[in-house]
Amino acid sequence: GIQVEQSPPDLILQEGANSTLRCNFSDSVNNLQWFHQNPWGQLINLFYIPSGTKQNGRLSATTVATERYSLLYISSSQTTDSGVYFCAVGGTGRRALTFGSGTRLQVQP
Amino acid sequence: DGGITQSPKYLFRKEGQNVTLSCEQNLNHDAMYWYRQDPGQGLRLIYYSQIVNDFQKGDIAEGYSVSREKKESFPLTVTSAQKNPTAFYLCASSELMNTEAFFGQGTRLTVV
Repeated sequence: GIQVEQSPPDLILQEGANSTLRCNFSDSVNNLQWFHQNPWGQLINLFYIPSGTKQNGRLSATTVATERYSLLYISSSQTTDSGVYFCAVGGTGRRALTFGSGTRLQVQP
Repeated sequence: DGGITQSPKYLFRKEGQNVTLSCEQNLNHDAMYWYRQDPGQGLRLIYYSQIVNDFQKGDIAEGYSVSREKKESFPLTVTSAQKNPTAFYLCASSELMNTEAFFGQGTRLTVV
């Protein structure tokens, strides 16, 4: 099946810093989503982005499907950005989402 | 409010007992999914359903069963055959397969 790798696994930032999270995947995809998991376990939808670039406030994402990667940018980070960020992809074969292992982000005041 | 409701939030089960987790959606979505999350790890697919009266095994279906008798409901039964059932279980739905998926708040199952 499709493999999803996220990097870095852990990231510690000072409030106000910028960061880039990466998601590599092993096959063609029809669906790519970024989620933020809060401390209570809730998965919050950030982006649905099988290709192209999107922005939402301080967050933006880019997916280059031909090169099989996606990037999530967080600018001017805040303590409320802390949590785990997951990338998940749906391929042409098995179309349910396959998740990466996540990037655990800690933003310190 | 439109959304996905999972119940209960917390569930305790004795070893050897079957238990059913509820997942209901009022988004009129065709596809529904069950995932399992263990501490510090990503989500793994248990079962999914593209449409009413149809469902498929995911990567870790052993010890679990599902039904899809109504469009809005996709209950998951954790059977006594599941060797290590303590985990966080998340239900999701999407309008169709491979469109944007949305998740419920999850059920934490603990075997005591």
